[in-house]
Amino acid sequence: EVQLVESGGIVLQPGGSLRLSCAASGFTFDNYAMHWVRQAPGKGLEWVCLITYDGGSTFYADSVKGRFTISRDNSRNSLYLQMNSLRTDDTAFYYCTNEKHKYFESWGQGTLVTVSS
Amino acid sequence: EVVMTQSPATLSVSPGQRATLSCRASQSIGNNLAWYQQRPGQAPRLLIYDASTRATGIPARFRGSGFGTEFTLTISSLQSEDFVVYSCQQYYTWPPGEGTFGQGTKLEIK
Repeated sequence: EVQLVESGGIVLQPGGSLRLSCAASGFTFDNYAMHWVRQAPGKGLEWVCLITYDGGSTFYADSVKGRFTISRDNSRNSLYLQMNSLRTDDTAFYYCTNEKHKYFESWGQGTLVTVSS
Repeated sequence: EVVMTQSPATLSVSPGQRATLSCRASQSIGNNLAWYQQRPGQAPRLLIYDASTRATGIPARFRGSGFGTEFTLTISSLQSEDFVVYSCQQYYTWPPGEGTFGQGTKLEIK
């Protein structure tokens, strides 16, 4: 069974930094590109960033470019999101998801990041 | 940039009836469309990909259709657990960007 388990969400002040993790199991992690997708409370889904299967390429939404960094450790079946210079509009549930042919096959339960003064 | 528009924002239907949800793309995306279901407090779940192919384990009462700019998710014989939020995603443009997802349709009990 595929499992994606996010962790690391907390409440923090604007300007702060945070690292989210996603532990993957039940599939061949290093065969899949991985993404982070977020959802602000009461809002729709928003794509955040993508990392290729080997970590060789990364892509970001304009809203997070230069502030967020996606990475992965295939030896640990883990995905990460380093979030810097956080803003109140970064408040959201953050989901990790694996990509299959450009759609999102499996999702984690999400971890809540709240940025508030 | 492709913009995905879902309608209506909220749809009220009685259990046992059929629901028809719409997703429109601002430009042609072929059949590069997926639908997701999201229950409160839970992760999104892939329902349909390539506009009309059901994902593994998805009941036959969920049917996707459409091509180009107009897409529909039809849910027949609505059951209580179906009254949640549905979102569409286009993957014609890659990598994803701001216009990847529609804003969602909430299906509620009439």
